[in-house]
Amino acid sequence: AQSVTQLGSHVSVSEGALVLLRCNYSSSVPPYLFWYVQYPNQGLQLLLKYTSAATLVKGINGFEAEFKKSETSFHLTKPSAHMSDAAEYFCAVSDRGQAGTALIFGKGTTLSVSS
Amino acid sequence: EPEVTQTPSHQVTQMGQEVILRCVPISNHLYFYWYRQILGQKVEFLVSFYNNEISEKSEIFDDQFSVERPDGSNFTLKIRSTKLEDSAMYFCASSERKPGQGSEQYFGPGTRLTVT
Repeated sequence: AQSVTQLGSHVSVSEGALVLLRCNYSSSVPPYLFWYVQYPNQGLQLLLKYTSAATLVKGINGFEAEFKKSETSFHLTKPSAHMSDAAEYFCAVSDRGQAGTALIFGKGTTLSVSS
Repeated sequence: EPEVTQTPSHQVTQMGQEVILRCVPISNHLYFYWYRQILGQKVEFLVSFYNNEISEKSEIFDDQFSVERPDGSNFTLKIRSTKLEDSAMYFCASSERKPGQGSEQYFGPGTRLTVT
């Protein structure tokens, strides 16, 4: 069964510092991978997705993620944090092919940004 | 930009009552989903719906739950007899193509259900 593990339930950075949010997946076949962001009292917004076109994926708001098959990882990074990046971030995986339709989410990582 | 909408934003109900949560997916999308997020926990898949039938459901989606697309625009989640543990944020989502084709799911803002 597919699963996603997000290491670190809470990450704190200073404004301007590098953001690194970790995600490891477990899947029998290379899956599709997604990062979503949830701002307080709002729904989930797609940041970026990996569908095998390129291992380095660029998303909105300056975020990017790199798919590393050997490490079964899809970590999210941003070179310079902004106060507005403070939110909850979810990594998710879906099955490649016809089998599944569900997104399987990790437990989420809360990003705090201090000035 | 098209978006998924959900009503109501907050629903309070007594244990044992029936509730219907409503969603309007993006108009040209064909796949519809419900997820829930219990406070402080991860987002969990409930059910997916395509071509007027359930495609997949999780073990959470038991006989107390049902989904329906009553017309060309709405997608509803009904909980027949609510329990305290049904208190959660419920998210509706839709996608244009099959998830197996890498189609991303677009989420609504959620309905917070509080069962007292």
